[in-house]
Amino acid sequence: KNQVEQSPQSLIILEGKNCTLQCNYTVSPFSNLRWYKQDTGRGPVSLTIMTFSENTKSNGRYTATLDADTKQSSLHITASQLSDSASYICVVSDRGSTLGRLYFGRGTQLTVWP
Amino acid sequence: EADIYQTPRYLVIGTGKKITLECSQTMGHDKMYWYQQDPGMELHLIHYSYGVNSTEKGDLSSESTVSRIRTEHFPLTLESARPSHTSQYLCASSDRGIHEQYFGPGTRLTVT
Repeated sequence: KNQVEQSPQSLIILEGKNCTLQCNYTVSPFSNLRWYKQDTGRGPVSLTIMTFSENTKSNGRYTATLDADTKQSSLHITASQLSDSASYICVVSDRGSTLGRLYFGRGTQLTVWP
Repeated sequence: EADIYQTPRYLVIGTGKKITLECSQTMGHDKMYWYQQDPGMELHLIHYSYGVNSTEKGDLSSESTVSRIRTEHFPLTLESARPSHTSQYLCASSDRGIHEQYFGPGTRLTVT
C-alpha cells in the first residue's frame, strides 16, 4: 500500500532556531517528492520538488533532501521566522498513472514562538 | 502565486440544502482536482478531470458531483448537504509536465 508518513506530528521552536522535519514513504514506482507549506485555512503552496536523481534542493531558508534508496526525505528550515508557523506536508507522486497520483502525508504542524 | 480561485471561502449551511463550490483557474491547465481535508488529516482526492467533459471519482467516496464544461471551471455540487460533509474542500490544477499541482485557497464548509 502506498503511504507517506511524517514525523514529528507537531513541533514548537523558538524564533531563529533551526529544525528538521522527516518524511518516509512506500510509494512505488516513485516519480517525485514535494514539500508543501500550508498556512491555516489556506491551500498548500509548493516549496520544493525533487525527482529520483536529485538528493538535495534549496528554496531560500528551506532545504529538502531525498534518499531514494531508503525512501526518506527531510525538510530543514534555517533561522526560523514567525511566518514559518504552518503545516508542512510531504507529498509523493508515482509514475504508474497519467494522472500523476499524489500521496499526501498528514503534515507536521510547526509553531514558531518569539 | 498560482492563479486558481475558489468561492466561497467559508460557507455555513443547513442540512438538506443544495450547494455548489466554485473553482476557476486561468493557467489553461487541462487537469483539475478536488480534495477533501479534515483538520490534522491528509488530503483525500474525491474528484478529478483530465479535461473538458472528463470527470472521474477519486480515492475517497464522496456524495458530491462535478462537471467540466469549460477548461477553466470545475465546480463541485452537493445536492443535499449533511453534517458529515463538514470539511475543507481544496481545488487544484496541473499542467501536462511534471505534474506540479497548484492549489486554491480552499472552501471551509460547515453543515449544521
